[in-house]
Amino acid sequence: ETGVTQSPTHLIKTRGQQVTLRCSSQSGHNTVSWYQQALGQGPQFIFQYYREEENGRGNFPPRFSGLQFPNYSSELNVNALELDDSALYLCASRTLDSGGALDTQYFGPGTRLTVL
Amino acid sequence: RKEVEQDPGPFNVPEGATVAFNCTYSNSASQSFFWYRQDCRKEPKLLMSVYSSGNEDGRFTAQLNRASQYISLLIRDSKLSDSATYLCVVEARAGNMLTFGGGTRLMVKP
Repeated sequence: ETGVTQSPTHLIKTRGQQVTLRCSSQSGHNTVSWYQQALGQGPQFIFQYYREEENGRGNFPPRFSGLQFPNYSSELNVNALELDDSALYLCASRTLDSGGALDTQYFGPGTRLTVL
Repeated sequence: RKEVEQDPGPFNVPEGATVAFNCTYSNSASQSFFWYRQDCRKEPKLLMSVYSSGNEDGRFTAQLNRASQYISLLIRDSKLSDSATYLCVVEARAGNMLTFGGGTRLMVKP
């Protein structure tokens, strides 16, 4: 087990609704990233947070937003859900030190979102 | 063109076989390279990092060719438990996002 936990494990929503997914980082990790993995594809980077600020974003629209809290846990929010948002959402954590060095990125088990 | 490209497979091999996966990447400024393994309906897990000098971990050997922007993974003496999807992953610079290929599915049969 990596120590990265996500909730809920599964979720079903309808088109147009909003969803919040949660992630608890591995202890000591200050950087969290979110990825979307559609069926049969590799994970796609959504954004990354370091010390509660977004410090990188992939090619996702603004209706995908996030937060990182002082305890380094994180949320992914998706507004106005579309059918194509159905995917496995993965959270990953790692440590970025003052010198910019990073250790291995560890993934949580993911939240499987189905949009009907 | 995708930033990281892999043959999706599936590769169906018998136990004990040697199998090789290849991957190409488009960003010549990429700095770090990895192979991740993903079991069905599970999260990706780091298999090994990939270095220019090549590196080996038991039955697994990874190789990087920066000039050709090509990464490989060799699995010797395949086991049933090696059945999974293997993801080629590239990091453009330290602290940046990981870019994943689409994955190559391996099925090892008795």
